[in-house]
Amino acid sequence: SQQGEEDPQALSIQEGENATMNCSYKTSINNLQWYRQNSGRGLVHLILIRSNEREKHSGRLRVTLDTSKKSSSLLITASRAADTASYFCATDALGIHAGGTSYGKLTFGQGTILTVHP
Amino acid sequence: NAGVTQTPKFQVLKTGQSMTLQCAQDMNHEYMSWYRQDPGMGLRLIHYSVGAGITDQGEVPNGYNVSRSTTEDFPLRLLSAAPSQTSVYFCASTPGLARETQYFGPGTRLLVL
Repeated sequence: SQQGEEDPQALSIQEGENATMNCSYKTSINNLQWYRQNSGRGLVHLILIRSNEREKHSGRLRVTLDTSKKSSSLLITASRAADTASYFCATDALGIHAGGTSYGKLTFGQGTILTVHP
Repeated sequence: NAGVTQTPKFQVLKTGQSMTLQCAQDMNHEYMSWYRQDPGMGLRLIHYSVGAGITDQGEVPNGYNVSRSTTEDFPLRLLSAAPSQTSVYFCASTPGLARETQYFGPGTRLLVL
């Protein structure tokens, strides 16, 4: 089963509006990451927030993490048509793999499809 | 740097055929992984490697083999293609632990008839 679940599945807004996407997960994590995927392309890393951080900013992006609720949100402010893409959260669950060394594995959510209308 | 490259971009196979999806990175990253992406399923980890000569299974490894003879290359082999393997395949790499930022290739779109 997927570790990260995103909400909403699809979001449609007008240019200039803010877009908020949420991610919930099930087990304790080392960090949570957000990725963006334009149609037909690979994923591009946006931001990483560690389990001991509560909020992080990068340009027009703001990410929050609430480990007590096992949830995160991605806020895109003043959206642009070029922000149209799918957005995925990915979690790295705590654990031991590969012969005893904790390398971690990223688990991706199903994504939120964001459409920004000009 | 070219980053992470994948070939081919698109491939059509018949059921039962075998093929190798190529992945290469020129960033000297230790960790490499293969994902498949299906509609409504997000990305699922197939296999990963923590360095040359070391590989391990991910979430959906059945029907796929991997090897890591060099740091740069991490090919994914489909042994006997099935329609259920129709998907988009992404290779990714990261310089250290898998939990850090991953760099993705552009993907290979595979259609199995």
